[in-house]
Amino acid sequence: DADVTQTPRNRITKTGKRIMLECSQTKGHDRMYWYRQDPGLGLRLIYYSFDVKDINKGEISDGYSVSRQAQAKFSLSLESAIPNQTALYFCATAGGFDWEFTSGGPVSTDTQYFGPGTRLTVL
Amino acid sequence: SQELEQSPQSLIVQEGKNLTINCTSSKTLYGLYWYKQKYGEGLIFLMMLQKGGEEKSHEKITAKLDEKKQQSSLHITASQPSHAGIYLCGAFNDYKLSFGAGTTVTVRA
Repeated sequence: DADVTQTPRNRITKTGKRIMLECSQTKGHDRMYWYRQDPGLGLRLIYYSFDVKDINKGEISDGYSVSRQAQAKFSLSLESAIPNQTALYFCATAGGFDWEFTSGGPVSTDTQYFGPGTRLTVL
Repeated sequence: SQELEQSPQSLIVQEGKNLTINCTSSKTLYGLYWYKQKYGEGLIFLMMLQKGGEEKSHEKITAKLDEKKQQSSLHITASQPSHAGIYLCGAFNDYKLSFGAGTTVTVRA
């Protein structure tokens, strides 16, 4: 079974509709992330959560909201979908950080695990 | 925020030939990730580099992080059709992972 699952995998909706994308993970990770991917722009961070009570905005949070229902579940909502939210959406999880003292900065010792993606089209 | 610039944006290589992709950061890299993605699909983790001068290899793919930890390269030796896809570099800064725009690799038979 996949470690990170996303539902739905594909969705077509109309402008103004509310839509929720769901993400579940079996990794037991505290950190979860939502990204969107657009051609030529790479992956951009929408929201991230370090635990159930800690939710943070990413680069492009406007028009989106999230809910961390449990350690294993992190949902992304579009309250009123618009066409420029058409994109491929990825959920990801990650484990803990270790500090690299020689460089003085945080180094993640755990890999980010990505879900298979949700292709969302807003007409 | 950390900005990662990848070059080239895309490349076409003859099967059997080598290729190199570069990833340059505006800030010191404290962990550089390389992922591969087939068009429209999920990301596959390739490798992670942490220390200046570090080099890792897996099968025919080698990644390096320079001593200053601001540039990484991904080198594929004797490319095969299975190497085709989008390659993304990512780096942590302030506990968030940001990505380059990606390099699309096409392998021609």
